[in-house]
Amino acid sequence: QVQLVESGGGVVQPGRSLRLSCAASGFTFSNFGMHWVRQAPGKGLEWVAVIFYDGTNEDYTDSVKGRFTISRDNSKNTLYLQMNSLRAEDTAVYYCARDRRQWMVHSIFDSWGQGTLVSVSS
Amino acid sequence: EIVLTQSPATLSLSPGERASLSCRASQSVSDLLVWYQQKPGQAPRLLIYDASNRATGIAARFSGSGSETDFTLTISSLEPEDFAVYYCQQRSSWPPTFGQGTKVEIK
Repeated sequence: QVQLVESGGGVVQPGRSLRLSCAASGFTFSNFGMHWVRQAPGKGLEWVAVIFYDGTNEDYTDSVKGRFTISRDNSKNTLYLQMNSLRAEDTAVYYCARDRRQWMVHSIFDSWGQGTLVSVSS
Repeated sequence: EIVLTQSPATLSLSPGERASLSCRASQSVSDLLVWYQQKPGQAPRLLIYDASNRATGIAARFSGSGSETDFTLTISSLEPEDFAVYYCQQRSSWPPTFGQGTKVEIK
């Protein structure tokens, strides 16, 4: 069965960096586009970033462009989110999510990890 | 960016009742509308994709309908495990965006 396990969250001061990881198992990771979606405490869902199945293309929501970098290591079945210049408004649970279709980005999130909490505070 | 507005914010119903949740888009999304369920402390779960297609393993009491700008998620007869927050999401226009959610609570 599909399993996604995030790690790397924690408390960090504004302006500092953090790298999240998402370990995937139970499917052919290298065939699927992957996303990060976040949820601020008590709030709704916000799409953050996507990376194509082969890592050749990526995109971000405007509020994180230039600060966050999504990447993947298909040999390790792992997705990453490098977060730099963190702000208080980045505080959220960060979920990794698999795109439903192989080879293409359809933006249907059919499997989710349990999430990792990032808290940006001085 | 397409804005999705869900209503009502909260729906108070009893087990066995029918629930109808609305999602309205600020512009047409064709049928590229997705529904998720989220329970407290859990990740979202895919329910319906492309307006009316149930995801794998989703009970038949969940159904989706609509097109263009107006969509409905219907739960035909609420089970205790259905009390949760429901989000719609559009994938018609980049970036994908979510509605603010509808909480279905026990009356």
